[in-house]
Amino acid sequence: KNQVEQSPQSLIILEGKNCTLQCNYTVSPFSNLRWYKQDTGRGPVSLTIMTFSENTKSNGRYTATLDADTKQSSLHITASQLSDSASYICVVTGTNAGKSTFGDGTTLTVKP
Amino acid sequence: DGGITQSPKYLFRKEGQNVTLSCEQNLNHDAMYWYRQDPGQGLRLIYYSQIVNDFQKGDIAEGYSVSREKKESFPLTVTSAQKNPTAFYLCASSETSSYNSPLHFGNGTRLTVT
Repeated sequence: KNQVEQSPQSLIILEGKNCTLQCNYTVSPFSNLRWYKQDTGRGPVSLTIMTFSENTKSNGRYTATLDADTKQSSLHITASQLSDSASYICVVTGTNAGKSTFGDGTTLTVKP
Repeated sequence: DGGITQSPKYLFRKEGQNVTLSCEQNLNHDAMYWYRQDPGQGLRLIYYSQIVNDFQKGDIAEGYSVSREKKESFPLTVTSAQKNPTAFYLCASSETSSYNSPLHFGNGTRLTVT
């Protein structure tokens, strides 16, 4: 069964600090991995997409890494801001079924 | 602005009543999806449509129905057969149903059934 596991479940950091969120998956064969940001009461918005051949991809203060051998990804947030408070969801898509498997998300709270 | 519009944002219904959630997109996307989100859980696929007049069941289709009569519209009906309908419902679209095509989400409808 395809699975996506995210850790930690929740995280509280101070404004200006960095943090790293983890995503482990078992989806195979692998097509791509996306990180989404979901503000409370809103729909998810795509941050990054990574394919098998990509190791690192940045989007402003967000940097995603992918290790396809160990089936692990991380999302690093630099110099956090209050507006970074949200749920971050890892989504992995395989090539077989074409449907995406969603992680449960990490809830990040940035405090002043 | 191109995007996906879900309405209403909040919906309240009595147990035993059917209710229809609206989803409209002006992105000219072929594929549309309905997901359910419960607290602390990942999104689960209810139904998806790859093209007009065609749709397939997702992982949790029981108690739900959809139609796709127009490219831009994909309404979801939550029937009285759905045992636990209270949830946050998200509609999404993608340019194609290919696994490389990214999902674009609406801002959801929160349904409460009492």
